[in-house]
Amino acid sequence: GAVVSQHPSWVICKSGTSVKIECRSLDFQATTMFWYRQFPKQSLMLMATSNEGSKATYEQGVEKDKFLINHASLTLSTLTVTSAHPEDSSFYICSARDDSAYEQYFGPGTRLTVT
Amino acid sequence: SQQGEEDPQALSIQEGENATMNCSYKTSINNLQWYRQNSGRGLVHLILIRSNEREKHSGRLRVTLDTSKKSSSLLITASRAADTASYFCATMRVEGAQKLVFGQGTRLTINP
Repeated sequence: GAVVSQHPSWVICKSGTSVKIECRSLDFQATTMFWYRQFPKQSLMLMATSNEGSKATYEQGVEKDKFLINHASLTLSTLTVTSAHPEDSSFYICSARDDSAYEQYFGPGTRLTVT
Repeated sequence: SQQGEEDPQALSIQEGENATMNCSYKTSINNLQWYRQNSGRGLVHLILIRSNEREKHSGRLRVTLDTSKKSSSLLITASRAADTASYFCATMRVEGAQKLVFGQGTRLTINP
């Protein structure tokens, strides 16, 4: 089956630093990937849609300068949380849409803790 | 933005009983999907039902879709302790960008 990986699975960083999270589709090509954020005991909130070779589309209320997205290849999208603050601590989940099947597959998530 | 509203927000039942969770949405959809998430873990895709389908089964799962009421239900029969998790519905809208939007979720606890 289609697999999406995320790296790292968890990360702890200090306030003010930047953290990069990778999302890879392992056995399919994905022109479109999605980034979600999930706070404890809450649902997934879509942050942005990442498109290979073009700018990401951000949901209302999501700061594009704070959450930098780069989709440089058909199998890799990265989310960089810049100048992280404790309120950015959350579970970040990516999803990749298979170009050939149009199915969407989710990664295992990355837990970010900002101290 | 969240499209789906789920109820109940939390459900606690005894092992062996059936669990029913409901999801309502606001706009026209291409399909509706149900996911399970164990605490602190990733999502597990359970079932997808298309807008032209009314009912779908997968093992102990039964999903219904009523597009006239813009609602769906997930039934888990003969529940097991391992079914304890959060369950989310997610809708793929007809118009606009093709993206999955999640409901608030139901936290299901199965008591042994």
